[in-house]
Amino acid sequence: DTGVSQDPRHKITKRGQNVTFRCDPISEHNRLYWYRQTLGQGPEFLTYFQNEAQLEKSRLLSDRFSAERPKGSFSTLEIQRTEQGDSAMYLCASSPTAFSREQYFGPGTRLTVT
Amino acid sequence: SQKIEQNSEALNIQEGKTATLTCNYTNYSPAYLQWYRQDPGRGPVFLLLIRENEKEKRKERLKVTFDTTLKQSLFHITASQPADSATYLCALRTGAGSYQLTFGKGTKLSVIP
Repeated sequence: DTGVSQDPRHKITKRGQNVTFRCDPISEHNRLYWYRQTLGQGPEFLTYFQNEAQLEKSRLLSDRFSAERPKGSFSTLEIQRTEQGDSAMYLCASSPTAFSREQYFGPGTRLTVT
Repeated sequence: SQKIEQNSEALNIQEGKTATLTCNYTNYSPAYLQWYRQDPGRGPVFLLLIRENEKEKRKERLKVTFDTTLKQSLFHITASQPADSATYLCALRTGAGSYQLTFGKGTKLSVIP
């Protein structure tokens, strides 16, 4: 059983650069979520997809952040003009349809903005 | 404002004892509450979900209670082992029709041999 995978696992970038992360959910999970986690905090919701439709987006999400899920399979999260405050662990999670409420998380992408 | 509090940042207990972690929330009326385990450098792993009409849920050495009057959930690990050392997060769905989860900051549990 393949779990949620994320690529890359680590990314170091200079301030002002754009970065893109990829998430491959568990196959047949049609719900996909992105979270951000900083040290000592719990994951913070960023956005949610059901199939290819982006249904929820955090009000805290800057317009420098954009996410896509073409064809309802893998998803990408792009951050434009990165800032040092963007340094965090970016987590992807997926869940199956209907009555399942638990979310299955990937290992995360650790972003460091220098 | 809405808030989830896990009121111990860290908890140290002796191996074999029962660990009890607390999650309190304000200004929510969640239909269910979840507990996750997170190891350093890894994503959270789902442990248990308890619904508002359930008082208690068990899974092996884990037990969760949910008191919607007190707005509190307790998470117990009985016969704790060093391998149980991790950060434990509680999470709530925080909006009607929403699937996003809001997490507490977590409690870091250390089980001492």
